[in-house]
Amino acid sequence: SQTIHQWPATLVQPVGSPLSLECTVEGTSNPNLYWYRQAAGRGLQLLFYSVGIGQISSEVPQNLSASRPQDRQFILSSKKLLLSDSGFYLCAWKGRLAGPTRELFFGEGSRLTVL
Amino acid sequence: SQELEQSPQSLIVQEGKNLTINCTSSKTLYGLYWYKQKYGEGLIFLMMLQKGGEEKSHEKITAKLDEKKQQSSLHITASQPSHAGIYLCGADGRTGGFKTIFGAGTRLFVKA
Repeated sequence: SQTIHQWPATLVQPVGSPLSLECTVEGTSNPNLYWYRQAAGRGLQLLFYSVGIGQISSEVPQNLSASRPQDRQFILSSKKLLLSDSGFYLCAWKGRLAGPTRELFFGEGSRLTVL
Repeated sequence: SQELEQSPQSLIVQEGKNLTINCTSSKTLYGLYWYKQKYGEGLIFLMMLQKGGEEKSHEKITAKLDEKKQQSSLHITASQPSHAGIYLCGADGRTGGFKTIFGAGTRLFVKA
């Protein structure tokens, strides 16, 4: 069966420090991968998605970047965190079989607090 | 760009009561998803609707997609404390399923 893991689960970082959140998927190949952010009391905002290794699409211009160095690995990074980067970050994957309209499967989430 | 509006934003119901959550899209829906999120956790997939007029059920939760495919409703019958959480609707645009956008969510509280 397929599983998705992201870490760390909780992170407290000072303003101006770097960030690296990692996500890995197991049990599937060539998935579409996603990073979402959920700010307090708000819905999910799509940050990045990837349809293949090295292929990254950015949805919102911001202080963050994403990379996909391996088929099932998706990394969210920042060189210098801002207070506004605080939030709950969710990694997700979607399979490619039987067309693009398929449900997303989400990781457990990473809560980032920037102080 | 497509937007999803959910109503109500929050809901407090007595255990055993029925409730309905709505999701309205600014554009035609080509794939509508309902998820549940427990506070501070990831999203759990509930069901997906694609065809106008389609209706699906999972235990005591029923979701419908209207004929014009621009609105969906989620109905919970005889609510229980285990139903508490955030319900989010998500949608794929016409450009395909590469991007799924979400509504702001509906927070459901169930009083025992």
